[in-house]
Amino acid sequence: GENVEQHPSTLSVQEGDSAVIKCTYSDSASNYFPWYKQELGKGPQLIIDIRSNVGEKKDQRIAVTLNKTAKHFSLHITETQPEDSAVYFCAASMAMVAALIFGKGTTLSVSS
Amino acid sequence: EAGVTQFPSHSVIEKGQTVTLRCDPISGHDNLYWYRRVMGKEIKFLLHFVKESKQDESGMPNNRFLAERTGGTYSTLKVQPAELEDSGVYFCASSPTVNYGYTFGSGTRLTVV
Repeated sequence: GENVEQHPSTLSVQEGDSAVIKCTYSDSASNYFPWYKQELGKGPQLIIDIRSNVGEKKDQRIAVTLNKTAKHFSLHITETQPEDSAVYFCAASMAMVAALIFGKGTTLSVSS
Repeated sequence: EAGVTQFPSHSVIEKGQTVTLRCDPISGHDNLYWYRRVMGKEIKFLLHFVKESKQDESGMPNNRFLAERTGGTYSTLKVQPAELEDSGVYFCASSPTVNYGYTFGSGTRLTVV
């Protein structure tokens, strides 16, 4: 079955710096890659996603890139702010398969 | 619109007891999912409902776990009898179409002592 590896497990940056979180997946049939942000006491919230027919997607300070050949995808956050501090999860899934396979999460800390 | 609602938010029970978690999905979302995160590990899929039917329960750990979605509205997840390793945060999510546009609830933190 699908396996998703996520790195790093923790990331500390200064406000204004960029943050990059990387994930690799094992099943080449996976075609949907969402990223979730989880704040304390809340459930995971979708922040951006990408499908396998697209190489890059951007939404303001957040971007996701996908390399299908290497089977890895990354989350890029620019101009980080303290409110970006949270746990970030990557996930992968296949078409018409309900289960999202999650990475173990990255705890991002942005200090001002 | 109201989001996905889960309750209780926390539950502490003794080993061997029974606990029932409830999830109210977003109105109109036919797809409902249960996930679980054990401390420090990844969020793992448990099962998927389409309306009242179980479409995929491949992630259910064992027969101590029973999920229902009567009438295709809210869902319950019962653990009977609870074991120590069942401790974790149980998330429910719903979506209008399969595997897209998920909205997660805030989760139920279950502690079995």
